[in-house]
Amino acid sequence: DTEVTQTPKHLVMGMTNKKSLKCEQHMGHRAMYWYKQKAKKPPELMFVYSYEKLSINESVPSRFSPECPNSSLLNLHLHALQPEDSALYLCASSPPPSGGGDTQYFGPGTRLTVL
Amino acid sequence: DAKTTQPPSMDCAEGRAANLPCNHSTISGNEYVYWYRQIHSQGPQYIIHGLKNNETNEMASLIITEDRKSSTLILPHATLRDTAVYYCTFFSGTYKYIFGTGTRLKVLA
Repeated sequence: DTEVTQTPKHLVMGMTNKKSLKCEQHMGHRAMYWYKQKAKKPPELMFVYSYEKLSINESVPSRFSPECPNSSLLNLHLHALQPEDSALYLCASSPPPSGGGDTQYFGPGTRLTVL
Repeated sequence: DAKTTQPPSMDCAEGRAANLPCNHSTISGNEYVYWYRQIHSQGPQYIIHGLKNNETNEMASLIITEDRKSSTLILPHATLRDTAVYYCTFFSGTYKYIFGTGTRLKVLA
């Protein structure tokens, strides 16, 4: 199984809502990532988990809260978002980088719209 | 800051080779160059990577200059399905890919 799955595919939420994005992989990868991508822009790294521990937080606002319950699952909890948070949210996984980097496998993304 | 530089857009005739350049002059000696592509609103898809030597797989070839400051991705026989945004990236520190702005490749029938 060489797939990263993400649910839901689309999400519309109000600024007072609480919602969660889910990402799953069964490739035995021990690093998992959240990226945010605005239209016509490259993906921007938000969070990295390595061996279920948060390794990188790219100064993301606290209204985004990541969680890694186990090595196969990654969640992104959303609360009190702003309309400018509307974007494609991508999950990726990889083996832990060996020296100069490692291949990341991306999911299809969740298209989030904040009203 | 570490970064990559790519032309914003390119056209290629179907069946011809597409050559996509990338400048990565700040890459370190042990950092691999990776190429991904993203077809409209899907997740990025891995294409190929390399360190010093040229590489080839079933999707593409990668030519890296001897000084490692630039590389070229070659799609030998472009098809309409190769229309996508192509990103040249490399790791800057542990876990952090540096994505440039990418090249929007349009393959023309």
